[in-house]
Amino acid sequence: DAKTTQPNSMESNEEEPVHLPCNHSTISGTDYIHWYRQLPSQGPEYVIHGLTSNVNNRMASLAIAEDRKSSTLILHRATLRDAAVYYCILRRYNQGGKLIFGQGTELSVKP
Amino acid sequence: ETGVTQSPTHLIKTRGQQVTLRCSSQSGHNTVSWYQQALGQGPQFIFQYYREEENGRGNFPPRFSGLQFPNYSSELNVNALELDDSALYLCASSLEGPTDTQYFGPGTRLTVL
Repeated sequence: DAKTTQPNSMESNEEEPVHLPCNHSTISGTDYIHWYRQLPSQGPEYVIHGLTSNVNNRMASLAIAEDRKSSTLILHRATLRDAAVYYCILRRYNQGGKLIFGQGTELSVKP
Repeated sequence: ETGVTQSPTHLIKTRGQQVTLRCSSQSGHNTVSWYQQALGQGPQFIFQYYREEENGRGNFPPRFSGLQFPNYSSELNVNALELDDSALYLCASSLEGPTDTQYFGPGTRLTVL
């Protein structure tokens, strides 16, 4: 299973953009990049996913490097509710549906 | 549309006992996955069921077993509980098969004494 590397923790100020990095140098051509987040005392929540092109949805944007060895989750305006552990996950669709979570990045947001 | 629900919320058992955890998927979701999350760690995949058949299993011993019912609700059973089984157990359901987006429930916190 391909591995991802994320910083253990990051801090942000409320209403400022946040860029959460993820390295995945051993990514294969069939791996999708998924991001989930887990708020305190809750189950993980799907955020966004992509394969090669940058993706936007109502929660966030995903910027994928041209060589696909890294990606960045972008929260455009952090709110206190965005404080969570963010997981970057590689998902190989031809090998079943499991999600392999790493340690994630714990994001704290200061008012 | 209701979300994924799990019961019970919390549970305390003693070593050697057996436990059954339940998960009710979102309406129409035909796939359920179970994960174990130890304190301070990311969730670890236990197994997945698709249309009542096991569709993949993680590195967990056979004393972890599951069922998916015709209404797509699911159970996780753990026999011969060990102290290390203390964790948050999460289930996640998917609408369009095993590779679709997974929607997680809030989890069941199991404590083994």
